[in-house]
Amino acid sequence: RKEVEQDPGPFNVPEGATVAFNCTYSNSASQSFFWYRQDCRKEPKLLMSVYSSGNEDGRFTAQLNRASQYISLLIRDSKLSDSATYLCVVISGGYNKLIFGAGTRLAVHP
Amino acid sequence: DAGVTQSPTHLIKTRGQQVTLRCSPKSGHDTVSWYQQALGQGPQFIFQYYEEEERQRGNFPDRFSGHQFPNYSSELNVNALLLGDSALYLCASSLASPTQYFGPGTRLLVL
Repeated sequence: RKEVEQDPGPFNVPEGATVAFNCTYSNSASQSFFWYRQDCRKEPKLLMSVYSSGNEDGRFTAQLNRASQYISLLIRDSKLSDSATYLCVVISGGYNKLIFGAGTRLAVHP
Repeated sequence: DAGVTQSPTHLIKTRGQQVTLRCSPKSGHDTVSWYQQALGQGPQFIFQYYEEEERQRGNFPDRFSGHQFPNYSSELNVNALLLGDSALYLCASSLASPTQYFGPGTRLLVL
């Protein structure tokens, strides 16, 4: 079983739609959680950190459920520019080694 | 303030050859991590360097080795290249924080 699992998609949604991505992780001792965004043939870029209390950044909302070992990302009012692959990332153990899921691809169309 | 830089951007090698990839961390960062990203997959951790020492290593064979210099820049070396080593190699830097900043990567093709 992979340490971090995501639905690969693709999610094809129209502009203005709300879309949600889910991610599960296997190590209950994981201590930090993130969503990264990766555009085609580019490097991953940090989108937001994820906390148990939930956090929001504009149209983006991230949530962590430690009991279920589940992380979510909600994107409201999708824009064409949101088209990318969204990577769920977990840190387990020392020295901040990032463990990535395989990514969920989002395509927003006019 | 320069971000993380990597060189070269692209590289083509043949099986059995050796390759060296280079990374300069973001200004002020002292920790460099290397990741391999195969097509359609998420990045996989190779190893991390701090204070010129390999501090942590992922599940990669000894053919993968690295180095960190006193100015915190780093190299990734891969010996005896295999076709399966074809991937995007990403370098990330950080400073006493889980937040890592990635360079643009080196795209390696092994023929």
